[in-house]
Amino acid sequence: GDSVTQMEGPVTLSEEAFLTINCTYTATGYPSLFWYVQYPGEGLQLLLKATKADDKGSNKGFEATYRKETTSFHLEKGSVQVSDSAVYFCALSEDQKVTFGTGTKLQVIP
Amino acid sequence: DVKVTQSSRYLVKRTGEKVFLECVQDMDHENMFWYRQDPGLGLRLIYFSYDVKMKEKGDIPEGYSVSREKKERFSLILESASTNQTSMYLCASSPRLGGSYNEQFFGPGTRLTVL
Repeated sequence: GDSVTQMEGPVTLSEEAFLTINCTYTATGYPSLFWYVQYPGEGLQLLLKATKADDKGSNKGFEATYRKETTSFHLEKGSVQVSDSAVYFCALSEDQKVTFGTGTKLQVIP
Repeated sequence: DVKVTQSSRYLVKRTGEKVFLECVQDMDHENMFWYRQDPGLGLRLIYFSYDVKMKEKGDIPEGYSVSREKKERFSLILESASTNQTSMYLCASSPRLGGSYNEQFFGPGTRLTVL
């Protein structure tokens, strides 16, 4: 079945540091890939998406590229802010359902 | 603005009680989902529904049931709450689209504590 593996957290960074959160997936077909973000006390919201190989999703300074050859969708940001502190979930979608990773907590300190 | 609402943000119940968690979406979405979120386990799918009166088991349906009598409303029922059902419950909805692209829209969650 489908699965998503993302790096363990928590990740602690200083403000303006470079962020990478690794995500790899296993799927039977050609899934769409997502990053969701969950701020404290809230539900998940979509951060970015990519629907086919080599697509790059981007939003709010975050980027991720759909790499079919390495089955990866790593999240990056060049300069994180305190307001980026949240839990980040990598996910894939096939056949109307979504499979989520376990989440990576990011804490950005001033 | 799209919206998914859940009936309670926080709920405390006693072991053995029947618990109803309600979810309403205003986007006319066909698909609705119930997840539970636990530390270190991420989101696990309990039940989902592709249409009114339809339901499908997810990965962890034991101890839960669901009801979808109207398109906009999807209820999760704990027939006899137990302490291991203490968790954050998240409802989501999505449109029925062709292909695999299927963004889900989430409610704010209900934190349920069973004593």
